[in-house]
Amino acid sequence: AQKVTQAQTEISVVEKEDVTLDCVYETRDTTYYLFWYKQPPSGELVFLIRRNSFDEQNEISGRYSWNFQKSTSSFNFTITASQVVDSAVYFCALSGAGGGNKLTFGTGTQLKVEL
Amino acid sequence: EPEVTQTPSHQVTQMGQEVILRCVPISNHLYFYWYRQILGQKVEFLVSFYNNEISEKSEIFDDQFSVERPDGSNFTLKIRSTKLEDSAMYFCASSLYRAQEPQHFGDGTRLSIL
Repeated sequence: AQKVTQAQTEISVVEKEDVTLDCVYETRDTTYYLFWYKQPPSGELVFLIRRNSFDEQNEISGRYSWNFQKSTSSFNFTITASQVVDSAVYFCALSGAGGGNKLTFGTGTQLKVEL
Repeated sequence: EPEVTQTPSHQVTQMGQEVILRCVPISNHLYFYWYRQILGQKVEFLVSFYNNEISEKSEIFDDQFSVERPDGSNFTLKIRSTKLEDSAMYFCASSLYRAQEPQHFGDGTRLSIL
C-alpha cells in the first residue's frame, strides 16, 4: 500500500521568509512518481512538479525548489522569499508505475504567508 | 493552455436523488480520473478510466457510483442515490499517459446533499 505523510498541518510565516514543506512517502514499488499540487483558497488543484523515483536530482523553479532523497523517502518543497500569494494548501502525492496510476495524496499543509 | 473543465461548479441535491457530474478532459489525454475531497480533508481517489473501461477503483467507489464516456469529449460521474456523506468537492483529472505524466485537474464540482 502507498502512503504519503505531511506532518505539518499548518505553517505561518512572514512574507520574505523561506519555508520548507515536508513530505515523507511509503511505497513498495521500485518505480514511482512524486508530485506536489497547490490548492489556493479558490479550491482548484494546480500541478507544481513531478519527480521520478530514478531521478534524485533536485530541481529549482524560480522561488520554488524540491529536494528528493530516496534514502529517507522524502520529497520536500521549499519556497524562498515567500509571498502572500503563496498562501494555499500544498499537497504531496505519490503514484506507482502499475495499476490505474491513482494518486495517493497526503493530508496537505496549510501555508499562511502574512505581511 | 488546455484545461480540464467541470460542470456544474456547485450542485445542490436532495438526499436519495441521482446526480451526474460532468467533465471535459484535455482533448488529447487518454487517462481520466475522479477524486473527491470532503471539506478540510485530503483528496481521495475514486476511479481511473482508460480505453472505455475502469482501470482501477477505490473502496469508496461502490455500486452507487458509475462513470461513463458517452462521446469523444465528456467524462461523467453518476451517483445513483445520494447520501449526506457524499457531500464533497469532486475533481475530475486527466493525463496523457500513465503514472509518469502529471494529472491535470479541473476546478471541481462542489456537491451539497441536503
